[in-house]
Amino acid sequence: SQTIHQWPATLVQPVGSPLSLECTVEGTSNPNLYWYRQAAGRGLQLLFYSVGIGQISSEVPQNLSASRPQDRQFILSSKKLLLSDSGFYLCAWSVRGITQYFGPGTRLTVL
Amino acid sequence: DQQVKQNSPSLSVQEGRISILNCDYTNSMFDYFLWYKKYPAEGPTFLISISSIKDKNEDGRFTVFLNKSAKHLSLHIVPSQPGDSAVYFCAASTGNQFYFGTGTSLTVIP
Repeated sequence: SQTIHQWPATLVQPVGSPLSLECTVEGTSNPNLYWYRQAAGRGLQLLFYSVGIGQISSEVPQNLSASRPQDRQFILSSKKLLLSDSGFYLCAWSVRGITQYFGPGTRLTVL
Repeated sequence: DQQVKQNSPSLSVQEGRISILNCDYTNSMFDYFLWYKKYPAEGPTFLISISSIKDKNEDGRFTVFLNKSAKHLSLHIVPSQPGDSAVYFCAASTGNQFYFGTGTSLTVIP
């Protein structure tokens, strides 16, 4: 069966510090991978998605970036965090855009 | 531009009764429609989906109805249970992209 892992589960970072969130998927090959953010009381905002290694599509301009160094690994990064980057970050995977499965999420607080 | 909308931010239902959650969309090219359940500080859990070529899909207590002419879908939960209390997101997909509504918070009152 397929599983998706995200870490860390929670993170508190000062403004201006770097960020690296990691997501890995097991039990499937060549999945589509996604990063979403849920701000407090808001819906899910798509940040990035990837259909293959090294292929990243960005949905919104921001100071975040994503990379996919391996087939089942997706990384969300920032060189300098802003207060507005606080939120709940979710990684997800899908095959052929039919159903999407989410990881447990990372709660990021920028102080 | 919000392509998927959930206009009711919250819903309260008595235990044992039917819960009906609604969702509207604007893009007629969507291929699949999905419902997710989410608890605080957890990732959304997939509940049920429906292809754009169907008008109904049932799985246990959950039934999703799709009305393409009205660009409307709904999730029926019968009977509602206290454990169903959560935020429900509808979503739609086309190609590799998924579009989510803003969620409806369901409270089932014992």
